Amino acid sequence: GDSVTQMEGPVTLSEEAFLTINCTYTATGYPSLFWYVQYPGEGLQLLLKATKADDKGSNKGFEATYRKETTSFHLEKGSVQVSDSAVYFCALSGSARQLTFGSGTQLTVLP
Amino acid sequence: DSGVTQTPKHLITATGQRVTLRCSPRSGDLSVYWYQQSLDQGLQFLIQYYNGEERAKGNILERFSAQQFPDLHSELNLSSLELGDSALYFCASSLDGGPRVNEQFFGPGTRLTVL
Repeated sequence: GDSVTQMEGPVTLSEEAFLTINCTYTATGYPSLFWYVQYPGEGLQLLLKATKADDKGSNKGFEATYRKETTSFHLEKGSVQVSDSAVYFCALSGSARQLTFGSGTQLTVLP
Repeated sequence: DSGVTQTPKHLITATGQRVTLRCSPRSGDLSVYWYQQSLDQGLQFLIQYYNGEERAKGNILERFSAQQFPDLHSELNLSSLELGDSALYFCASSLDGGPRVNEQFFGPGTRLTVL
């Protein structure tokens, strides 16, 4: 079945550092890929998505590129802020529309 | 604010009891999904309803059931509760059509504590 493997956390960075959170997936066909963010005490918010190979999703300075050849969808941001501290989830949606999530990566950004 | 509402926000109950969690989807969304978030299992899909009918089932226990009503709100019923059912339960909704297909919007969750 479908699965998502996400970089283990927690990740701690200083403000303005470069962020990469790795995500790889296993799925049949051509899934859509997502990054969701969960702030403390809140639900999940869609951060960005990509629906086909080589698509780049971007939002709020975050980017991720759908790489079919490496089955990856790594999340990157050039300069993180304290307000980016949250848990980040990589997810896929295949022919069955429900989301399959990775285990989540806790990011803490220090001032 | 995603537009998805869930009640109650918190629920504390005892083992063996039954509870009902409620979800109202975003206006216009026909699909409702239920997910469970726990420390040991992570985020898991439970069940999906589309326009009142069950569409897909995931790792949902037989003690759990759900339904979607004509006004499209959904309820998740959890019975014979066990300590291990303590978790955050999320509802999500989607339009299931057009360019935003597969894009799900999540509610704030209901935190269930079973004592």
